[in-house]
This record gives sequence, C-alpha cells and structure tokens, in this order.
Amino acid sequence: DTAVSQTPKYLVTQMGNDKSIKCEQNLGHDTMYWYKQDSKKFLKIMFSYNNKELIINETVPNRFSPKSPDKAHLNLHINSLELGDSAVYFCASSRGSANEKLFFGSGTQLSVL
Amino acid sequence: QKEVEQNSGPLSVPEGAIASLNCTYSDRGSQSFFWYRQYSGKSPELIMFIYSNGDKEDGRFTAQLNKASQYVSLLIRDSQPSDSATYLCAVNMASGYALNFGKGTSLLVTP
Repeated sequence: DTAVSQTPKYLVTQMGNDKSIKCEQNLGHDTMYWYKQDSKKFLKIMFSYNNKELIINETVPNRFSPKSPDKAHLNLHINSLELGDSAVYFCASSRGSANEKLFFGSGTQLSVL
Repeated sequence: QKEVEQNSGPLSVPEGAIASLNCTYSDRGSQSFFWYRQYSGKSPELIMFIYSNGDKEDGRFTAQLNKASQYVSLLIRDSQPSDSATYLCAVNMASGYALNFGKGTSLLVTP
C-alpha cells in the first residue's frame, strides 16, 4: 500500500496546454509539499501546505495552482505549459513540520514539447 | 532563498573505503539538517538527520554538524557499490514547513 502516491508517472504534452498532477498520502500526515527537480537534479520547494492551508509559495509563477481539498490530497494544476516547466515533480508529506522525515512520492516526469 | 551548497562530484571511492560528503549552508538560524539519498530515477529517501553540534552515528553512516562553521557532513564507512547514488543535503527553512536542498553530490563506489 503506497504511502504517497502521485499520478500520472509520466506526462508528455504540448506547450500552451493545461495539465494536472494528483497526489494522495495515506499516512495521516498534516503537511504536504510539491518539489520540482530539474535536469541537473536540483530539488526546489514550490509549495507547502499544512492542514489544507498554504504555508509556503516559493515565488512560483501563478500558472501553477495547488489545491488541497483535504489534508490527504494535494493536487497541482499547471496552465499554459512552457518548455521550462519540463522537470520531475515530487509530492511529499510529513507528519508535522519539515523537521520530521519527508516521505516522497515516486515523481511525475513532465515533458513539454 | 537561503543557500545550501554541495560539491556536485562525482566522488569516486573504492569499495570498502570511507566516503566523505560535505555541505555548507548560509542561514545561521537553521536548526535541522538532513541527508537524503536518491538513486537514479527514484525518489529521495531519508538516511540521516542531525539537530545538535557533533557527531551522530547510525550503522555505517555518521553525520557531523558544526553550526559555528555552518557545515554538515556525511561519512559512509565500508562503502559498498549499492551506496552509489546522489546524496542530497537538506536544511530546514525558517518557517519550518519546507526544506532547502543542495544540488546533491554524486557518489560512485567502484568494486
């Protein structure tokens, strides 16, 4: 039973399209995150939610809109996709703050053509 | 954004040797420090965390923290080929609700 699951695993799309990535955790954690890992493997925080409330928005373009319908789910919608959005997007969760272990999903490889 | 710096490598060590991975951070207020391991094509997984100055040992892994020098390191004793991966240093952000990651050090353990 996967702890943090995200779908889809691969996403190939054209520039200008809109796409969504879904994430669910069954660990009962209070905090969820979206991280972006670029081609040079740099893992950068995008958003952090605690109990459905946005805590961190790290200067991400407003084409990216996270939504947390409940504390077990954190989805990411991306409008008007650009070439530079190509990356691996990781969802993660932790029991409380980020001072505790982060559990990562398996990642979504987004390729914008 | 506060910086977390790592040498990207690759760091190559022979099997059985000690691998030493280093990390510096810029935010003096940081309180929590982590080492994550990421195999190619996989997600990061936590291998060590340290909160206090000094050393912390767990099996073949030792994390070292020096807050005065803003320096964290990870030692891997008796390195195995299965340790070949990218090691990510991470430091908590001021809010406590996210980690800043370094760019990772690629470790290659040769048989």
